[in-house]
Amino acid sequence: GNSVTQMEGPVTLSEEAFLTINCTYTATGYPSLFWYVQYPGEGLQLLLKATKADDKGSNKGFEATYRKETTSFHLEKGSVQVSDSAVYFCALRDSGGSNYKLTFGKGTLLTVNP
Amino acid sequence: DTAVSQTPKYLVTQMGNDKSIKCEQNLGHDTMYWYKQDSKKFLKIMFSYNNKELIINETVPNRFSPKSPDKAHLNLHINSLELGDSAVYFCASSGRGRETQYFGPGTRLLVL
Repeated sequence: GNSVTQMEGPVTLSEEAFLTINCTYTATGYPSLFWYVQYPGEGLQLLLKATKADDKGSNKGFEATYRKETTSFHLEKGSVQVSDSAVYFCALRDSGGSNYKLTFGKGTLLTVNP
Repeated sequence: DTAVSQTPKYLVTQMGNDKSIKCEQNLGHDTMYWYKQDSKKFLKIMFSYNNKELIINETVPNRFSPKSPDKAHLNLHINSLELGDSAVYFCASSGRGRETQYFGPGTRLLVL
């Protein structure tokens, strides 16, 4: 079955530090890959996505590249801000069949200190 | 304008009670979902409906029953609530290509 593994948190950084949150996946077929962000007390928001190999998703300074050879979709940001403090979820959606459910990783809590 | 809304936002109830959570989306989407997020933030799909038809039904106790009166609404009814049902329940919806899911703000259920 499908699965997503992302690095265990929590991750604590100082403002302007470089961020990497690792995400690897196992899937049949050719999945679409997503990063969702959950700010404290809120629902999930789509941060970025990539639908095929070598695609790069980007938004709000965050980037992730779909790497089929390493089955990875690592999230990066060059300079984090306090407002980036949130839980980040890597997810995949399999391309096969009529099953459009998202399979999520366990989430990584990011805290950015001023 | 709220795209995906859920009511109530908080729900505190006693074990054994029956409760419902409502979800509405004004995005014109055909597909809606219920997810459960446990205390460790792990998210898991429970159900999905497409045009009022059930298309995903994960291994969920049959005390949980989704109902979709129309494609803009997906409600979740829970019978005989148990302590382990305490969680945050998220509704989501997606459009024709089902590529991106849009989530509601969540309903925080606490069973005492």
